[in-house]
Amino acid sequence: GDSVTQMEGPVTLSEEAFLTINCTYTATGYPSLFWYVQYPGEGLQLLLKATKADDKGSNKGFEATYRKETTSFHLEKGSVQVSDSAVYFCALSIWNYGGSQGNLIFGKGTKLSVKP
Amino acid sequence: DTGVSQDPRHKITKRGQNVTFRCDPISEHNRLYWYRQTLGQGPEFLTYFQNEAQLEKSRLLSDRFSAERPKGSFSTLEIQRTEQGDSAMYLCASSPGGHEQFFGPGTRLTVL
Repeated sequence: GDSVTQMEGPVTLSEEAFLTINCTYTATGYPSLFWYVQYPGEGLQLLLKATKADDKGSNKGFEATYRKETTSFHLEKGSVQVSDSAVYFCALSIWNYGGSQGNLIFGKGTKLSVKP
Repeated sequence: DTGVSQDPRHKITKRGQNVTFRCDPISEHNRLYWYRQTLGQGPEFLTYFQNEAQLEKSRLLSDRFSAERPKGSFSTLEIQRTEQGDSAMYLCASSPGGHEQFFGPGTRLTVL
């Protein structure tokens, strides 16, 4: 079945370090890929998305490229800040020619802590 | 505030009691989704509505779970005869169609 696997955390980095959170997926149909972020005490927020192969999603200094050949959508940021501390979720939704409910399938999440 | 709202934010109940949660989506979003999130896991899809029609409910965790969206606006999720294993965060999301979903803050359920 369709699924998302992301690297386990927690990940602890110093401020201004480079961030990579790996995400791979298994999917039938034509998946769209997402990164959601959950800050402490808050709801899920869409961070970025990519709807087709080779698309790059970007927002707030974060980037991820939809790689169909490696079924990956790794999240990167060149210089993290303390305010980036949160849980990050990789997710996909499937859209088929026959119609789709469009529900999201999530990975387990990766907790990021950034130390000053 | 025009985001997705959920009520209550926290619910503590005793095993065997019934609970009902409410979700108010973003106005004019025709799709509404319910998810459950347990500690250390990503959200798990439960059910969804296109306007007032419930188009997928096979993922509801048992027949104790039911959901409604009577007029295509707000939705309710009911859990009957709660069990300790039902303790989780229940999330609602709405969508205008297409790829993006907007999530509410969730209702945290604790079953004693």
